[in-house]
Amino acid sequence: QTVVTQEPSISVSPGGTVTLTCGLSSGSVSSSYYPSWYQQTPGQAPRTLIYSTNTRSSGVPDRFSGSILANKAALTITGAQADDESDYYCVLYMGSGIWVFGGGTKLTVL
Amino acid sequence: QVQLQQWGAGLLKPSETLSLTCGVYGGSLSGYYWAWIRQPPGKGLEWIGEIHHSGGTNYNPSLKSRVTISVDTSKNQFSLKLSSVTAADTAVYFCAREWDWDVWGKGTTVTVSS
Repeated sequence: QTVVTQEPSISVSPGGTVTLTCGLSSGSVSSSYYPSWYQQTPGQAPRTLIYSTNTRSSGVPDRFSGSILANKAALTITGAQADDESDYYCVLYMGSGIWVFGGGTKLTVL
Repeated sequence: QVQLQQWGAGLLKPSETLSLTCGVYGGSLSGYYWAWIRQPPGKGLEWIGEIHHSGGTNYNPSLKSRVTISVDTSKNQFSLKLSSVTAADTAVYFCAREWDWDVWGKGTTVTVSS
C-alpha cells in the first residue's frame, strides 16, 4: 500500500521562508494527485490552505502557496509568523475515489 | 455560506456500531463528494470514505469491511456507520466536502470503552 510521506517536524525563523513536502513511498507526485494542504491547531478542525496543487482556499493569505517540486507536492510559507506554528497535513488522490493523508508535519516558528 | 453540522453518539462499547450524521446547511449536497475523516488522539488524519450526492461510495480499503456511508438528499445530510468498533476506533470524526475541501464539520469525539 502506498504511503504518503511528510517531514515529521520542521523549524523556521520568524519572517523566514519554509517549504513542506508531500511525497509517495513509491513514485512521483504530480498535479493528477490533486494535492491539498491543511493547517490544524490542537482541538480544532483542519483549515484548508491549498487544494488542487496550487489553488488557495478562500481567505488564505498569499504567503501560503502550493506547487510541485522535485516530484513532490510542496507547501511554501513566506514570511513565517508565530501563529503559523501548527500541524500541517497533505492529502493525495490515489484514483478510484481513494484519498490518502500524509502523517503530518509539526512546524515550529522560533 | 455552507456549513456542516455533525451529531451522533460519543461513547460506545466494543462491538457496537458507530453512527454519525452530517447535515449540510446553507447549500446543497448536489454536485459534490462528501467525506468522513477521523483523527485518533495525538495522531494524524485518516480518510474513511466518500459519498456522492447520487449515492456512489468509495471506502478506505483498511476499513471497507466495516464502513457504510449513506446519503439522504431530502434531508440534505449524509451518514457514517462503522460496525464492530474497538478501542482503536476512538477518534475525533470529521465530515467534509471533498475536492475543494473548503467546508469541514467541527468534529465529533467518539470514545470506545467497556
